[in-house]
Amino acid sequence: DVVMTQSPLSLSVTPGQAASIYCTSSQSVLHSSEGFTYLNWYHERPGQSPRRLFSHVSKRDSGVPARFSASGSGTDFTLQISGVQAEDVGIYYCMQGTHFPLTFGGGTKLEIK
Amino acid sequence: QLLASGGDLARPGGSLRLSCAASGFTFRIYDMSWVRQTPGKGLEWVAGVRGGGPETFYTDSVKGRFTISRDNFKNMLYLEMKSLRAEDTAVYYCAKSIREIEMWGPGTRVTVST
Repeated sequence: DVVMTQSPLSLSVTPGQAASIYCTSSQSVLHSSEGFTYLNWYHERPGQSPRRLFSHVSKRDSGVPARFSASGSGTDFTLQISGVQAEDVGIYYCMQGTHFPLTFGGGTKLEIK
Repeated sequence: QLLASGGDLARPGGSLRLSCAASGFTFRIYDMSWVRQTPGKGLEWVAGVRGGGPETFYTDSVKGRFTISRDNFKNMLYLEMKSLRAEDTAVYYCAKSIREIEMWGPGTRVTVST
């Protein structure tokens, strides 16, 4: 199985500061025959189901604020928040959809100072 | 919207059937998944089924015990779970898509215990 490793496990950020979350896969998640990289990012707020933020590495979902950006390729991916707001608290997950079984990272918990 | 139901307390070795009612999108053209979440293991993709069926996919730990299916006339997704184990205890989510899981409904809790 492809292991998705996220770092840091948690981070505490002052409102308005930037935050970066990293996700590394144990093998490339570029789908060799389709040419797509199925790497998604999700945000889980306390008491809610996860919500997708990005698909295909950096394709922002409708309604996701512009302060969120995502990048990466192959095995290394990054989610960035340019100016954290209180509503951004929760747990962020990466997920690879290229290789079965699909696998998630362990999550990064974002707290506001 | 996706609304999962059927979660309950089950004995080890027992069975449960989860259901998911889909609305607000053209269900039959979308691949669908079940994903589960536990405090210890986090998020785990469990199974997926193609929009038109019958191709299905499973994580290794549930192969031969769980069966994912769908009824495109009723806009329903199902997960038949047999030979349940303690490690199947989790909140189960019904989700839209497989490779690009894009929508999650509220979960339904499955507890496997004596």
